[in-house]
Amino acid sequence: DGGITQSPKYLFRKEGQNVTLSCEQNLNHDAMYWYRQDPGQGLRLIYYSQIVNDFQKGDIAEGYSVSREKKESFPLTVTSAQKNPTAFYLCASRLGPTYEQYFGPGTRLTVT
Amino acid sequence: GENVEQHPSTLSVQEGDSAVIKCTYSDSASNYFPWYKQELGKRPQLIIDIRSNVGEKKDQRIAVTLNKTAKHFSLHITETQPEDSAVYFCAATSRVGGGADGLTFGKGTHLIIQP
Repeated sequence: DGGITQSPKYLFRKEGQNVTLSCEQNLNHDAMYWYRQDPGQGLRLIYYSQIVNDFQKGDIAEGYSVSREKKESFPLTVTSAQKNPTAFYLCASRLGPTYEQYFGPGTRLTVT
Repeated sequence: GENVEQHPSTLSVQEGDSAVIKCTYSDSASNYFPWYKQELGKRPQLIIDIRSNVGEKKDQRIAVTLNKTAKHFSLHITETQPEDSAVYFCAATSRVGGGADGLTFGKGTHLIIQP
């Protein structure tokens, strides 16, 4: 463990509120990723960033936003526009061309 | 974009027997295929990976085979143990947004080791 941290582990919000999930890594990785995991659905890519101040949409970016102001940090905001925000959110990072992705411990978000 | 299919969704084997999980992918340009193990409530962890210039890779009780022509790859676990019980995900590189090497994951296989 260590290297990539996500906080908090559990998060509860009321419908209509925006919420920001934290992801920090001290691995000096350039690329960072956000995935969403639902039961029986595997992991789906929300957003990714290859370098500071640059990020791209993944397969399911609608209702989410990100920023990459620092190499170590890649926060994800779940906006009120996201129709079904309740899920397990995983952040990952990768060091250049070695391709292996390391995952953070995840944040379980519940919206009621 | 890339599409990864994984089978079976649930696999139950007797302790000591072998387990095989299979995946197919759609993008012939994919060149990296990792396998992750995820225990309940925890993060996925890489257990083995293979690149497209290799047909097989082995690490102790775990092996992965890749058939580029047929676009499928498989995970083989021999001499299964209770601690092998988990959800296993295959993945393949995909060209997300036309540029990067994001991973596309299969939906997972719940492996159950029966004592």
